[in-house]
Amino acid sequence: GQNIDQPTEMTATEGAIVQINCTYQTSGFNGLFWYQQHAGEAPTFLSYNVLDGLEEKGRFSSFLSRSKGYSYLLLKELQMKDSASYLCAVMDSNYQLIWGAGTKLIIKP
Amino acid sequence: IAGITQAPTSQILAAGRRMTLRCTQDMRHNAMYWYRQDLGLGLRLIHYSNTAGTTGKGEVPDGYSVSRANTDDFPLTLASAVPSQTSVYFCASAPGATDTQYFGPGTRLTVL
Repeated sequence: GQNIDQPTEMTATEGAIVQINCTYQTSGFNGLFWYQQHAGEAPTFLSYNVLDGLEEKGRFSSFLSRSKGYSYLLLKELQMKDSASYLCAVMDSNYQLIWGAGTKLIIKP
Repeated sequence: IAGITQAPTSQILAAGRRMTLRCTQDMRHNAMYWYRQDLGLGLRLIHYSNTAGTTGKGEVPDGYSVSRANTDDFPLTLASAVPSQTSVYFCASAPGATDTQYFGPGTRLTVL
């Protein structure tokens, strides 16, 4: 079966750095996506990786290792507004997104 | 409008009733999707459409139907609602089937 694993909840301090991990087992791989979802709102797109390596976009970076079935989202200089759930999703061989349950990130002052 | 809209925002429905959730996008995206989101679970695909006139089944299609008569609209119908269909429903669209998906604001549905 297809599976996406990510931690249920993480806590970090304002101004710090946090890394959210995602491991996957899917039938085929056509890219990995990270989305941010604030409580009661829609998911919003953060990043996309299809090749191994690091993609940097401002305070957010995303890393992919296809051989290990592993990705992480790195958030730097944390702000209170970064408190949200972070969703990892893999596009499988049928070009459908398989979603993890999400990681709830709590930022403390 | 710009982006994706969904209606209604929320709805309480008696079991056995028929309900249609509406989704409209103005980005001329070819691909559209319906997901449900339940606590503790990842988003699950109900139905999708890669282009106007075509639809396909996702992971959890039972009890739901869709149509795609034109590019902009992708309604989701529950023929006879059951309590297990209580969920938050998100519509999404993408330029093409392999592209990044963009989500509407969601519909919170409660079936009693």
